[in-house]
Amino acid sequence: DAKTTQPPSMDCAEGRAANLPCNHSTISGNEYVYWYRQIHSQGPQYIIHGLKNNETNEMASLIITEDRKSSTLILPHATLRDTAVYYCIVRVAGGGADGLTFGKGTHLIIQP
Amino acid sequence: DTAVSQTPKYLVTQMGNDKSIKCEQNLGHDTMYWYKQDSKKFLKIMFSYNNKELIINETVPNRFSPKSPDKAHLNLHINSLELGDSAVYFCASSLKGAEKLFFGSGTQLSVL
Repeated sequence: DAKTTQPPSMDCAEGRAANLPCNHSTISGNEYVYWYRQIHSQGPQYIIHGLKNNETNEMASLIITEDRKSSTLILPHATLRDTAVYYCIVRVAGGGADGLTFGKGTHLIIQP
Repeated sequence: DTAVSQTPKYLVTQMGNDKSIKCEQNLGHDTMYWYKQDSKKFLKIMFSYNNKELIINETVPNRFSPKSPDKAHLNLHINSLELGDSAVYFCASSLKGAEKLFFGSGTQLSVL
C-alpha cells in the first residue's frame, strides 16, 4: 500500500512553476522520498529523491519539510511536455530488489 | 540505444492462448522487474529478479512465469490467458538497492 497522499489532479500554466504536494506523515527515519513521472503511453521516469535536505537537479527541485511529513516537487518552468502523472513514493534507500510501490499519483496538466 | 527494451509493444490474442513478452536491458543492472498497469492506471509490481534469482513474487497467478536466462533479460510467459490479463506490462531494471529504476516503454496486452 502506498504511504503517500497526493491530489488527484492539478493544472499549471505553461512557463510557470508547477508545485506538486505530497503528504507522507508516517514516513520512517530511514525512508527517502522519491518522485517519478509517467508521460502518457510511456514507462515511469525517475525525477529526483531526497531524505531531509532540499534537492535540485536538471529536472526539478524537491523541498522536504523539517518534520519530513510532507514534500513538494517543483518544476520551475513547466512546459507542455511536463504533462504527466507524478508519483511520490517513500522507500528505504538500499531497499534491495523490492522495487517501488506506486500510489495513484497526481495528474499534472500544463495549459498553453 | 534503448536502455530497457520490451517486445512486442502491442499484443492482441485470444483467451486461452499462451504468450510471452521479452525484456532486455543494456545498462549492466543486476535487478529486473515486471510491473502491471491495469485499466485504472494502477502500477503494481509482479516480480523482481536479482542476478537471475527470484526475489519478489507478488500474489501473481502461477499462469505467469518469469524467466531470466541471464542478468540482462527477464521474459514473462503467460499461460491460458484470461480477459483480466489485459493491461500494460512494464519491465524495469536497476542496480540492487539503487534509487533509480529504469522502465521500458510497456507492452499493451489485449485479450479478446
